[in-house]
Amino acid sequence: EVQLVESGGVLVQPGGSLRLSCAASGFSDWMSWVRQAPGKGLEWVANIKEDGSEKYYVDSVKGRFTISRDNAENSLYLQMNSLRVDDTAVYYCTRDKTYCSNGVCYRHIDYWGQGTLVTVSS
Amino acid sequence: DIQMTQSPSSLSASVGDRVTITCRASQSISRYLNWYQQKPGKAPRVLIHAATSLQSGVPSRFSGSGSGTDFTLTISSLQPEDFATYYCQQTYSPLYTFGQGTQLEIK
Repeated sequence: EVQLVESGGVLVQPGGSLRLSCAASGFSDWMSWVRQAPGKGLEWVANIKEDGSEKYYVDSVKGRFTISRDNAENSLYLQMNSLRVDDTAVYYCTRDKTYCSNGVCYRHIDYWGQGTLVTVSS
Repeated sequence: DIQMTQSPSSLSASVGDRVTITCRASQSISRYLNWYQQKPGKAPRVLIHAATSLQSGVPSRFSGSGSGTDFTLTISSLQPEDFATYYCQQTYSPLYTFGQGTQLEIK
């Protein structure tokens, strides 16, 4: 079974930077960061291909956040710069399982970490 | 980006009821649609993937249907543990998006 453990969430001032880490047991497949602001719904933030060759971001974090991975260390990262108050959320690390049927491959999140809280406030 | 719209946003129902939640995509996404359940203070868990495939370990009262732009999640007979928030998610585009969620409450 895959286990994902996030760390790095803290209170930071607007404009500050933070790096989130996710330690994974079993580290193949695409990986994502998904966030949830207090009392709000889920928002996908970024994802990265198994070999790191493809990365995608939600528009609201493009140019400010960078997703990366270290396959030798079984770790996923999210570098967060120019943080804003509306980045306040629980950030989940997720594994995105690829499932193929009849020659077509689909993807869904099958494992989630416990989440780490990032609070951006002055 | 592909927008996902769920309806209703909230729903009150009783144990034993049949419940349907709908999700509409802003463009065709084939069957690249997943459903998740989230309980307060917990991470979500997947119920249905690829629009109709029941995740291992999920009770058979949950089912999914649809393709293209319109999808449904059906719970055939609500149980007390099903009161939670449900989200759809598209993975047709690598820029995944979630619906805004449907909160299922006890009547």
